[in-house]
Amino acid sequence: DQQVKQNSPSLSVQEGRISILNCDYTNSMFDYFLWYKKYPAEGPTFLISISSIKDKNEDGRFTVFLNKSAKHLSLHIVPSQPGDSAVYFCAASKKTGANNLFFGTGTRLTVIP
Amino acid sequence: NAGVTQTPKFRVLKTGQSMTLLCAQDMNHEYMYWYRQDPGMGLRLIHYSVGEGTTAKGEVPDGYNVSRLKKQNFLLGLESAAPSQTSVYFCASSLRTSGSTYNEQFFGPGTRLTVL
Repeated sequence: DQQVKQNSPSLSVQEGRISILNCDYTNSMFDYFLWYKKYPAEGPTFLISISSIKDKNEDGRFTVFLNKSAKHLSLHIVPSQPGDSAVYFCAASKKTGANNLFFGTGTRLTVIP
Repeated sequence: NAGVTQTPKFRVLKTGQSMTLLCAQDMNHEYMYWYRQDPGMGLRLIHYSVGEGTTAKGEVPDGYNVSRLKKQNFLLGLESAAPSQTSVYFCASSLRTSGSTYNEQFFGPGTRLTVL
């Protein structure tokens, strides 16, 4: 049973425009959410995170929004750059335990120059 | 710092063969993890360890064993490989959780395993 879902397998955006990647979760016990970026033949790298006590976290061009009542989060990239082309994974964790992460299936972002 | 390294990068096995994947980290992290990534499935946790000498099962532990004899190393073993274990395997590590602070996981480059 997939507890973290990314319903869009792929997304194409023009360079300079906004990229919006979405993620939904089902487990209300999740209290920390992360986005990872993955290039081919490499491991995922941490991008940005948000605690459940917040509804927004910003880091440069990247902003994550959390809507707890809807069990939904989104990653905004503004402006999008060709180097942002990668697979983006949403992940969630519970406060208890060993930081175990539950991953979504990923969204492949292509930024068109 | 090398971060998290994995050995080997690629491997082809025949059904029934055994092998061990090695993960090493030089960041003095307490926690270590093994994931597998399959097409359309995202990453799923196989086993994890919260410290030297301790291991625990994740979401998909069947067919795998692990050992954490040294803090910096986490081994993943396949005793009798099956085609269903064809996957890309990622190791990760993180600092121990402290209070309300969440410490993100750092991933290795992956091992691509094919079982024929």
